Amino acid sequence: DQQVKQNSPSLSVQEGRISILNCDYTNSMFDYFLWYKKYPAEGPTFLISISSIKDKNEDGRFTVFLNKSAKHLSLHIVPSQPGDSAVYFCAARAGSARQLTFGSGTQLTVLP
Amino acid sequence: DAGVIQSPRHEVTEMGQEVTLRCKPISGHNSLFWYRQTMMRGLELLIYFNNNVPIDDSGMPEDRFSAKMPNASFSTLKIQPSEPRDSAVYFCASSLRTSGSPNNEQFFGPGTRLTVL
Repeated sequence: DQQVKQNSPSLSVQEGRISILNCDYTNSMFDYFLWYKKYPAEGPTFLISISSIKDKNEDGRFTVFLNKSAKHLSLHIVPSQPGDSAVYFCAARAGSARQLTFGSGTQLTVLP
Repeated sequence: DAGVIQSPRHEVTEMGQEVTLRCKPISGHNSLFWYRQTMMRGLELLIYFNNNVPIDDSGMPEDRFSAKMPNASFSTLKIQPSEPRDSAVYFCASSLRTSGSPNNEQFFGPGTRLTVL
């Protein structure tokens, strides 16, 4: 049973437009969420995170929104750039646990 | 800092052979994680260590898989005997978790691509 779900395996967006990547979770104990970006042949790299005490966190072109009642979070990238093309993983952590639970990833392609 | 180092980067082996994957975490980090990435299941946590002690190995798929961390700077993931369905990319990650910074991010290595024929 997947506790973190990314239902869109792929997403294509035109350069300069907004990219919205979605993530749903089922475990109500999750209280910290992260997004990772992964390029081919490289390990994932941390992008942005959000604690459950917030509903929005912004870092430059990247904004993460958290809707706790819907158990849903999203990553917005605006404006999208071709270099943003990568696989994006949503991850979640419960309380003081050290391990992360990852979603299956969404391949974002930003078209020039 | 060289980051998390994994070796080998690629491994091709035949079914039934023993495979050992290696990881050197970032110096000073106290938690180490082994993940497996497949097309079907995405990124799965296999096992993680805290201060060299295995804390949760519930993600290890079966007894053919074992992991050790003999010291703070080295860990291995062993598959014996290997099977074609073990083919995947295996990532190692490390983090520094303290009481003052409970949500420190994990830093991933480049991964080992394993192919079992």
